[in-house]
Amino acid sequence: AQSVTQLGSHVSVSEGALVLLRCNYSSSVPPYLFWYVQYPNQGLQLLLKYTSAATLVKGINGFEAEFKKSETSFHLTKPSAHMSDAAEYFCAVSDQVGGADGLTFGKGTHLIIQP
Amino acid sequence: DAGVIQSPRHEVTEMGQEVTLRCKPISGHNSLFWYRQTMMRGLELLIYFNNNVPIDDSGMPEDRFSAKMPNASFSTLKIQPSEPRDSAVYFCASSLWQGGQPQHFGDGTRLSIL
Repeated sequence: AQSVTQLGSHVSVSEGALVLLRCNYSSSVPPYLFWYVQYPNQGLQLLLKYTSAATLVKGINGFEAEFKKSETSFHLTKPSAHMSDAAEYFCAVSDQVGGADGLTFGKGTHLIIQP
Repeated sequence: DAGVIQSPRHEVTEMGQEVTLRCKPISGHNSLFWYRQTMMRGLELLIYFNNNVPIDDSGMPEDRFSAKMPNASFSTLKIQPSEPRDSAVYFCASSLWQGGQPQHFGDGTRLSIL
């Protein structure tokens, strides 16, 4: 069975500071990993995905994530936080080789940006 | 391009009533997923379809829940009879049938059972 752990249900950073959201996964086979963002009363929007092509993945809105197999981690970073980054962030894993499979999500991290 | 379309956006009904949630996936996508989001349990996969065929419904909580996909452009999630503990936000997502393809989510249906 696969699982995702997001450390910290709430993370607060100052505008302009580094954003680091942590994600650790458990999977019996090489995983596909995703980060999604959710704004209030909206669905989930894909930020970036890891599918084994490159360990450092760049996404939208200046976010990036690095896949570290030895640490089973896929942490999300952004060099400089913006007020518009305030949202809920979800890490998700899928380990189906071949066809599409349902995602297993972490509990989410609420990112707060202090002015 | 139109994204995943869900209806209704909000539903308030009384316990015991039948509830039907609807989803139109992105044209060309052949996998469809239903998720439920609650504060206590987070995002949970309920069921998913590939090429209109249900593949895994192990996440469906009870027999009161059922889902259908009669064609490639429409799916329903039905709860009968509804209970207050079914109150949640229900999301539909679609993707291409290929490992690693990202899922595209609708805006969800916020369901309140009184």
